[in-house]
Amino acid sequence: DTAVSQTPKYLVTQMGNDKSIKCEQNLGHDTMYWYKQDSKKFLKIMFSYNNKELIINETVPNRFSPKSPDKAHLNLHINSLELGDSAVYFCASSQARELFFGEGSRLTVL
Amino acid sequence: GENVEQHPSTLSVQEGDSAVIKCTYSDSASNYFPWYKQELGKRPQLIIDIRSNVGEKKDQRIAVTLNKTAKHFSLHITETQPEDSAVYFCAAVGDAGKSTFGDGTTLTVKP
Repeated sequence: DTAVSQTPKYLVTQMGNDKSIKCEQNLGHDTMYWYKQDSKKFLKIMFSYNNKELIINETVPNRFSPKSPDKAHLNLHINSLELGDSAVYFCASSQARELFFGEGSRLTVL
Repeated sequence: GENVEQHPSTLSVQEGDSAVIKCTYSDSASNYFPWYKQELGKRPQLIIDIRSNVGEKKDQRIAVTLNKTAKHFSLHITETQPEDSAVYFCAAVGDAGKSTFGDGTTLTVKP
């Protein structure tokens, strides 16, 4: 049983396209996150939701829009993709501040 | 906001030697300090953590120390093995639950 699962695992797309990444957790956690890991391996928080409510919104272009239909799901939609958006996007959930990461979604923008 | 600095960025040791990774944080309100290990192509996973009311914690070959006054904490791995090779991230977390990560340390253990 996968605790935090995200799809798709790989995304290759052209500049200017719109794409979505989906995340689901079956741990019963209240809080979910999106992290971006760039080519230098730096892990940066993008968004956090607690029980469907947005609580952290870092300085992220508004081309990125998260949506949490319920506390087990957190999706990320990206409009007008740019080359600099190429990265691995990790979804995570937490209950007692330990983060449980999904496998990551590698986005490549050509 | 919180700022976490991590050193060194790369570390190469011989199998059996010890490895030490150090982090400093800026926000005195941070009170939870986890360490994550990320193997190549995999997700980060928690390996050990320490809370602000504790100075040291040990789990087999891994230990973490915390100096709240100086705002720094360290990861110690003894008797390193090739499977310890990975990227290690420290993080500082406050009551709001936001994890701020260091930039990572790539550890290579040479057999």
